[in-house]
Amino acid sequence: GAVVSQHPSWVICKSGTSVKIECRSLDFQATTMFWYRQFPKQSLMLMATSNEGSKATYEQGVEKDKFLINHASLTLSTLTVTSAHPEDSSFYICSASGGLGTDTQYFGPGTRLTVL
Amino acid sequence: KQEVTQIPAALSVPEGENLVLNCSFTDSAIYNLQWFRQDPGKGLTSLLLIQSSQREQTSGRLNASLDKSSGRSTLYIAASQPGDSATYLCAVSGGNNRLAFGKGNQVVVIP
Repeated sequence: GAVVSQHPSWVICKSGTSVKIECRSLDFQATTMFWYRQFPKQSLMLMATSNEGSKATYEQGVEKDKFLINHASLTLSTLTVTSAHPEDSSFYICSASGGLGTDTQYFGPGTRLTVL
Repeated sequence: KQEVTQIPAALSVPEGENLVLNCSFTDSAIYNLQWFRQDPGKGLTSLLLIQSSQREQTSGRLNASLDKSSGRSTLYIAASQPGDSATYLCAVSGGNNRLAFGKGNQVVVIP
């Protein structure tokens, strides 16, 4: 149980385009989902926290108009990187919690984004 | 702001040796501490979770200790195997379900 998937696993796009990443909890309902970004040899940095049906809470320094987060259902959250630039190239990981009686976060396999 | 530091950043050991990975955190008011494993280009696999009231957790060859007052945790991996090669991440929770991660200990076990 407690499986989280991400799609796509990797994506390459041109500078200026937008990219959408999906995060799904497959066998439980996630009241809260988290989005992290990880640069090579760096720690995971929390970008935002989203609760189903409400607006996401962004960490300091994360542009909410650039990284659009939607958590429309208890099993799906999406992160859209708008007008992507090469500096947005990174590994994006989501996690989900809630619905299983604990606050434990279950992590997805990550999405590698490369912006040319 | 919680700061999490992991040392050493990287280490190589011959197969069979025990591994000792260290994690320190600046704010001792934590809810729990977790150790994760991350393989290259992959997501995170939870290894052990220690509640703030606990001193250690064990799972198979893995043992994690927690000294909350001094802001330290240690992950021991007994009799290392090549399959243990990975990056090990330490993360602390402040009770608001937000995790602060260290940069990881990159481990290579040499056959």
